[in-house]
Amino acid sequence: DSGVTQTPKHLITATGQRVTLRCSPRSGDLSVYWYQQSLDQGLQFLIQYYNGEERAKGNILERFSAQQFPDLHSELNLSSLELGDSALYFCASSVLGADGNTIYFGEGSWLTVV
Amino acid sequence: EDQVTQSPEALRLQEGESSSLNCSYTVSGLRGLFWYRQDPGKGPEFLFTLYSAGEEKEKERLKATLTKKESFLHITAPKPEDSATYLCAVQVPGGGSQGNLIFGKGTKLSVKP
Repeated sequence: DSGVTQTPKHLITATGQRVTLRCSPRSGDLSVYWYQQSLDQGLQFLIQYYNGEERAKGNILERFSAQQFPDLHSELNLSSLELGDSALYFCASSVLGADGNTIYFGEGSWLTVV
Repeated sequence: EDQVTQSPEALRLQEGESSSLNCSYTVSGLRGLFWYRQDPGKGPEFLFTLYSAGEEKEKERLKATLTKKESFLHITAPKPEDSATYLCAVQVPGGGSQGNLIFGKGTKLSVKP
C-alpha cells in the first residue's frame, strides 16, 4: 500500500458525460500528479500540483481539468467524455515538487466510456 | 528532447534463469532514476531510486545499478511471482510538458515455472 488513495476504483459512464476522480496523497506529501495509462500504452503525464498551485502541465486535453484543495487532496475532472478517454487514471504524490523525490502511485481509477 | 528507452520490450525467463533489464536515457540533467514494478491493472509500485553513477541498490532478487547513460535491473534466480512490467523513470529538473518524471515504455517480464 503506497498510501495514495484514489476513488472511485472503477467507473463506467456514457459518452458526453462528465466525471470526477478523487485523490488523497500520502500523509505529508505536498505534490500531486495525474497520469493516464491507456491499454498497452505507457504512462502519460497530465498535470502536477504543488501545495495547491499548478506546477507542470503535460498533454492534458482542454476537456480535462484538475485542482488541488487546501487539504491537499486533488480532483481530476473529465468532461464531454469520448470513447478514447477510456483508460486507467493514476494519481501520485511526493513530499516536494522538486528534484530527487520519490513519487508514489495510487492504485488507479478505471474509467470506461461506453 | 529528454528520452528514456527500455529494452527488451518483453522477456520470458524460466524460473531460476537470471537476466538483466536495460534502461538507457538521454536527458538534460539527471536528478534521479527510479525503478517501478507494475502488475496488470495496478499502480506502479516503487522499487528503487538511484542518484549517481556507480550507485547500486538491492532488494531480494533485484539489484539496480546506474551508469552515466543507463541503468540495469538485474534479476537473480527469478520466480513466477516476479512476473510484471518493470518501468524505469528519470527525474529531470523543471516541469515541462513531460513533467519532471519521464517514463520508459517498460519491460514485460514473464517467469515460467
